[in-house]
Parts: sequence; structure tokens; C-alpha cells
Amino acid sequence: GAVVSQHPSWVICKSGTSVKIECRSLDFQATTMFWYRQFPKQSLMLMATSNEGSKATYEQGVEKDKFLINHASLTLSTLTVTSAHPEDSSFYICSAVRTAQPYNSPLHFGNGTRLTVT
Amino acid sequence: AQTVTQSQPEMSVQEAETVTLSCTYDTSENNYYLFWYKQPPSRQMILVIRQEAYKQQNATENRFSVNFQKAAKSFSLKISDSQLGDTAMYFCAFMQETSGSRLTFGEGTQLTVNP
Repeated sequence: GAVVSQHPSWVICKSGTSVKIECRSLDFQATTMFWYRQFPKQSLMLMATSNEGSKATYEQGVEKDKFLINHASLTLSTLTVTSAHPEDSSFYICSAVRTAQPYNSPLHFGNGTRLTVT
Repeated sequence: AQTVTQSQPEMSVQEAETVTLSCTYDTSENNYYLFWYKQPPSRQMILVIRQEAYKQQNATENRFSVNFQKAAKSFSLKISDSQLGDTAMYFCAFMQETSGSRLTFGEGTQLTVNP
């Protein structure tokens, strides 16, 4: 149980185009999902917190107009990288908090999306 | 703000031996949670072990155990009987009780288990 599916796992896009990444909780409801960015051989950096039915909360330094987050249902959050540029190339990982579990329960992570912008 | 420090970028160990990964953190909070996550080459994040700050007893999960020193703000991971499949990046992570499950990660330690 507690499976988080992230799609696509790998995407290549041209500079200036937009890319949407989906994060789905397959067998549980997730009021809150997190989006992380990870550069090669580096740690995970939190980009934003996605809350169902409300606006996302972005970390300092993350451009909310560039990284659009939508959490329209209890099982789906999407991250759209708008007008992508080569410096946006990275590994993006989502994680979900099971709504029904006690506070501060372990996070369930997606498999990640490798984005390459050419 | 909380910070998590892993001072060993890389470590290696021989198969079947024991290795300890270090982690220190800084916080002014009294109630929090600490985690070790494993990220193998597949890059899937896997929870290895979890420790509640209010518990004095060190957490143990099979071959994995922690040495939690709250006063020293230290949280090391010991892997016993190392296996080739333990080769991965290991991240120490901190979660404040009132953070709504928000994690702060350390820089990571790349562990290589040699045959």
C-alpha cells in the first residue's frame, strides 16, 4: 500500500516550452503533497507544498509563476514547468502525506521525473 | 530554521562489515522526528528508519539502528552485516512536529558496499 505514482519518469523538451509532471497517490488520499528538486549528487530541495483545494506554498527563491502547482483532488497534484530553460533540467520528486494517518506520518515518495531541457 | 549536516560525502565498507553514517542537526524545538532515507541508483526514496525525539530508546529496524543523542543533536545510522544492495545515497532528514510533515534533508552520504 501507500503507492505514489509520478509521471512521466523522463521527459525531454525544447527550451521555451512547458512541461507538466503528475503526482498521484494510488491507494490513499493525500491532502498535502510536496515537490522537491534534486540536482545530480545533491540533496533534495523543497520547492513547494501543495494543498488540496488551496494555493501552493512556495519556498523562498522558487518562482511561483514558473513552477505552477495545482492540487485539484485528494489524489493528484501537478507541477508545470513553464517556459522551460536548460537550467531547469533536474530531477523532480513528489511526496504525499496520507490524510488518514497520524500527524507527521512518514512521507511516501514518487519515483521522480528526470527533466532535460534542450 | 532547522539545518541538517552530514559530514561524510562518501563512505565505503566491505560486505558483511558494519558502517556508521553521521548526522547532526540544529534546532531550537523540543518535539521533532528524525529519519534516514535511502536513495539507490533507481533514485526511489526509501524510508530506512525513524526516531521520535521524545523517545529515549534508539530505533532499530533489522540490520539498521540509530544512535540518537538528543543533547548533542546527533543522529547516526549503523548498518550491520552490510550487503551489496545497501549501496546507495543515504539522507538524514528532520521534521519539526508542527511543520505539517515538511522534511529538511542533509546533504547525503554516498555509501558503497564492496564485495
